[in-house]
Amino acid sequence: DAKTTQPPSMDCAEGRAANLPCNHSTISGNEYVYWYRQIHSQGPQYIIHGLKNNETNEMASLIITEDRKSSTLILPHATLRDTAVYYCIVRVASGGYQKVTFGIGTKLQVIP
Amino acid sequence: GAVVSQHPSRVICKSGTSVKIECRSLDFQATTMFWYRQFPKQSLMLMATSNEGSKATYEQGVEKDKFLINHASLTLSTLTVTSAHPEDSSFYICSASTSGNEQFFGPGTRLTVL
Repeated sequence: DAKTTQPPSMDCAEGRAANLPCNHSTISGNEYVYWYRQIHSQGPQYIIHGLKNNETNEMASLIITEDRKSSTLILPHATLRDTAVYYCIVRVASGGYQKVTFGIGTKLQVIP
Repeated sequence: GAVVSQHPSRVICKSGTSVKIECRSLDFQATTMFWYRQFPKQSLMLMATSNEGSKATYEQGVEKDKFLINHASLTLSTLTVTSAHPEDSSFYICSASTSGNEQFFGPGTRLTVL
């Protein structure tokens, strides 16, 4: 799996958009970008994933640059419950048996 | 859908005893399950990958005789920490996947060895 780089921490005001960046300059053509988050003392939660097109679901939006070397996870209206560690991961998607390697992630603190 | 449970959620044991942690996929059949360990303020570290009916594949540095993994059915995998010691105290998390692209994570088990 390709390596990702994320800022170790970020703050965001409640109600504002949280934009979490991720660099994955060595991503391969068959690798997807996945985002998970982990709220304190809980298991990771899947947020969103994409290959090259921008994606949106009920939780977030994922913006992937045209060269696919970086991406941004957007939480449109951050709430206090979004305080968590966010992990950006790139991996092939050819089967759930592919192991997921976690980096240090970005600790997002949503401030009232 | 896609719910993974772990039992127990928290366990405290004495040094030298063995502890079994269960991971269940509640509403789907999991061909592959993964076990992770997470120390305080650190990221998740993959310990092993198990496929139903076959031996687990351990990551480098993980002792297979100490961390016994059994994946006897498509909905259950167990991790047994044998002869636990205080340095084994950690947050253990499992994940389960089908042949699709997603992994679904359990809520984790907090192990404290006294």
